[in-house]
Amino acid sequence: EVQLVESGGGLIHPGGSLRLSCEASGFTFSAWWMHWVRQVPGKGLVWISRINVDGTTITYADSVKGRFTISRDNAKNTLFLQMHSLRAEDTAVYFCARGRLTWGAFDIWGQGTRVTVSS
Amino acid sequence: QSVLTQPPSASGTPGQRVIITCSGSSLNIGRNTVNWYQHLPGKAPKLLIYRNDQRPSGVPARFSGSKSGTSASLAISGLQSDDEADYYCSFWDASLNGVFGGGTKLTVL
Repeated sequence: EVQLVESGGGLIHPGGSLRLSCEASGFTFSAWWMHWVRQVPGKGLVWISRINVDGTTITYADSVKGRFTISRDNAKNTLFLQMHSLRAEDTAVYFCARGRLTWGAFDIWGQGTRVTVSS
Repeated sequence: QSVLTQPPSASGTPGQRVIITCSGSSLNIGRNTVNWYQHLPGKAPKLLIYRNDQRPSGVPARFSGSKSGTSASLAISGLQSDDEADYYCSFWDASLNGVFGGGTKLTVL
């Protein structure tokens, strides 16, 4: 079964750091672009970052640029999001998603991991 | 504030046909293909429509998409109670980054 499972969320103080993971299974992870998308409570989905197959092309939304780092370990079929200088407005559920280039769409999603930034 | 505008809510009764709209501009919908996602709270979002009107394998034919100019639409026919969810239109920009509409909460009455 094709699957993405996020982990690493939790409660963190403002200014703190957290690393999210997204473990892939059921497909050749190293052949796919991957993305992170988040949903602030009560709000809609917002794209925040993406990485190409070998990690050489990376982009970020302005809201997280300079604070978040996306990376991947193809040997471990895992996508990461390292988050620093966390703010209350980073409180959200974070989803990883597989990007299908030929469709221009996110065709597989994880169930998300919740990050709460609060003192 | 997203560049794609969706109505915050929509509703229908079982069996009815509901249409959710997504309005953009010549800079986004006008030059890119549109995708639609269904999201039930606490679940993984699900791709319903890609490239304006294509359904992935496993998505019922009750769901259909269309695009005209700078607007796109998702139509759900034969509305069912488990269609109650949030629906998002989306596109990939020139950098292959995702852009989402604000979402539409569909209520089945």
